[in-house]
Amino acid sequence: EAQVTQNPRYLITVTGKKLTVTCSQNMNHEYMSWYRQDPGLGLRQIYYSMNVEATDKGDVPEGYKVSRKEKRNFPLILESPSPNQTSLYFCASSLDNRASGEQYFGPGTRLTVT
Amino acid sequence: DAKTTQPNSMESNEEEPVHLPCNHSTISGTDYIHWYRQLPSQGPEYVIHGLTSNVNNRMASLAIAEDRKSSTLILHRATLRDAAVYYCILRTGNNRKLIWGLGTSLAVNP
Repeated sequence: EAQVTQNPRYLITVTGKKLTVTCSQNMNHEYMSWYRQDPGLGLRQIYYSMNVEATDKGDVPEGYKVSRKEKRNFPLILESPSPNQTSLYFCASSLDNRASGEQYFGPGTRLTVT
Repeated sequence: DAKTTQPNSMESNEEEPVHLPCNHSTISGTDYIHWYRQLPSQGPEYVIHGLTSNVNNRMASLAIAEDRKSSTLILHRATLRDAAVYYCILRTGNNRKLIWGLGTSLAVNP
């Protein structure tokens, strides 16, 4: 089954403790991105990747890192999480970055930083 | 970045058609109009997209105005499972990112 998976689905952590949220897709997609969703603000893009070893900042990249060493994986790294990074995070992928392309979303990771 | 405007909420009855409007008056010529929906506690799900012509698929129809400044998502027969937040989005820019608004929360009454 074609899908985007994220782990963990729920995470409660403390300020400053490094964490990684994994994202994997099995559709051989080139384009992957991370979004965060906050009430009243909608979904905002954090980082995106056009292909392996090609990543770039989205609209809200501060406090986050990503890597794309393999085509299928696109982990989101929070080196020193802070409470303002408490949010619902979604990973998404699409075949390529054409404007007509459909994006597939993961189920989401709900992160709470205390 | 071009933005979209949608009503905050709409209501429909089961098995009736639903027309969800969207305004995107600053759309550029190369922007595609996408619709996604998000069911409770799930990730967004692709519904349909188009550029200039009306489009149909198994889930819905998309009617695009001739000047492309607005579009309407049509669910032909709403079911309870269609209750969700519907997002009208432009996929745009060099990044081809999706520009998200706050969407329309659709309630479907039995």
